[in-house]
Amino acid sequence: ETGVTQSPTHLIKTRGQQVTLRCSSQSGHNTVSWYQQALGQGPQFIFQYYREEENGRGNFPPRFSGLQFPNYSSELNVNALELDDSALYLCASSQTGSSGRAETQYFGPGTRLLVL
Amino acid sequence: GQQLNQSPQSMFIQEGEDVSMNCTSSSIFNTWLWYKQDPGEGPVLLIALYKAGELTSNGRLTAQFGITRKDSFLNISASIPSDVGIYFCAGQLNGGSQGNLIFGKGTKLSVKP
Repeated sequence: ETGVTQSPTHLIKTRGQQVTLRCSSQSGHNTVSWYQQALGQGPQFIFQYYREEENGRGNFPPRFSGLQFPNYSSELNVNALELDDSALYLCASSQTGSSGRAETQYFGPGTRLLVL
Repeated sequence: GQQLNQSPQSMFIQEGEDVSMNCTSSSIFNTWLWYKQDPGEGPVLLIALYKAGELTSNGRLTAQFGITRKDSFLNISASIPSDVGIYFCAGQLNGGSQGNLIFGKGTKLSVKP
């Protein structure tokens, strides 16, 4: 086990609703990255949080937003849900050093979101 | 979104056989990683490679970081049933917004006892 936990494990929402997913990083890690994994695909980078600020973003619209808390845990919020948002959402924690170098990412088990 | 070219897409082999899969990219990376994902779980890190030309082993697994920094391969020797799963390669630049991972589409491995 990586020590990265996510909640909830499964979630069903309807189109137009909003959802919040949560992630607790591994002890000693200060960086959280979020990925979306559609069925049969590799994970796609959504964004990364470091020092409570967004530290890089993939090709996702603004209705995908996030937060990082002082204890390094993180939330992913998705507004105005669309059918295509159905996927496994993964968070990964890592340690970013003073040089800014991003270390190896360790993944949680994911939250499976189904949008109807 | 951007993805790496990973092949083969799937493999069906006999227990005891060796397996080889590879990953190529049009971009260079500073780090190559190999993950395994079981159904309903997140990817688990198998091997991390940090230097061009590096060859690293983890038990029956061996991976190499290509000299051009645009490719990597993973070998599994003497496969066993618990090797079943989906294997993903991932490339990473270092630092800041370049710290995100770019994944391949995965190689699905099936092992017949």
